[in-house]
Amino acid sequence: GQQLNQSPQSMFIQEGEDVSMNCTSSSIFNTWLWYKQDPGEGPVLLIALYKAGELTSNGRLTAQFGITRKDSFLNISASIPSDVGIYFCAGQLRSNQGGKLIFGQGTELSVKP
Amino acid sequence: EAGVAQSPRYKIIEKRQSVAFWCNPISGHATLYWYQQILGQGPKLLIQFQNNGVVDDSQLPKDRFSAERLKGVDSTLKIQPAKLEDSAVYLCASSFGPGQGSVNEQFFGPGTRLTVL
Repeated sequence: GQQLNQSPQSMFIQEGEDVSMNCTSSSIFNTWLWYKQDPGEGPVLLIALYKAGELTSNGRLTAQFGITRKDSFLNISASIPSDVGIYFCAGQLRSNQGGKLIFGQGTELSVKP
Repeated sequence: EAGVAQSPRYKIIEKRQSVAFWCNPISGHATLYWYQQILGQGPKLLIQFQNNGVVDDSQLPKDRFSAERLKGVDSTLKIQPAKLEDSAVYLCASSFGPGQGSVNEQFFGPGTRLTVL
């Protein structure tokens, strides 16, 4: 079945630094999404990307949908302590397949004040 | 707007016992999903409902897992009998509809953490 490879698995950074993580797949997706999950909570949607090549920002977050539709990256600028958590990419299949999401393994971000 | 509600939040059982989880989606959301999230991994879809019909249950271990959404609103997920490898967080999510775009934005509940001893 489809698999997403997300990297890095974990990151330890200093407050104020920029962060970059990415996701690759052997399959084409129609939509790429980025979620953040805090301990004991469900994932929360950060950014959704619907077109190949699309670059979208949400505050300090920027994400891009790769031209090949097989990859995406997420950047966080000027990190702050509340950015701590696990970030997941997810690819969404075509609507005639019910909009199923395939998740990456996650990137655990730690921010040192 | 109230979010997706799940109960219980935590459950500890012995292997071979049965367990059930409950989910109440966001009001008006026709599509409901159950995901399994094993520690250190991303969520994996178990079953997707559109109203009270099953859209996708291809990754549901049907010999031990079952789910229903009888009136197209609340849903229950059951495991009978449980195995050690079923230890995971079970997440429920809902969306306005299936398909692509913002209509399919999935909102997740807090999950039920299951420990099988």
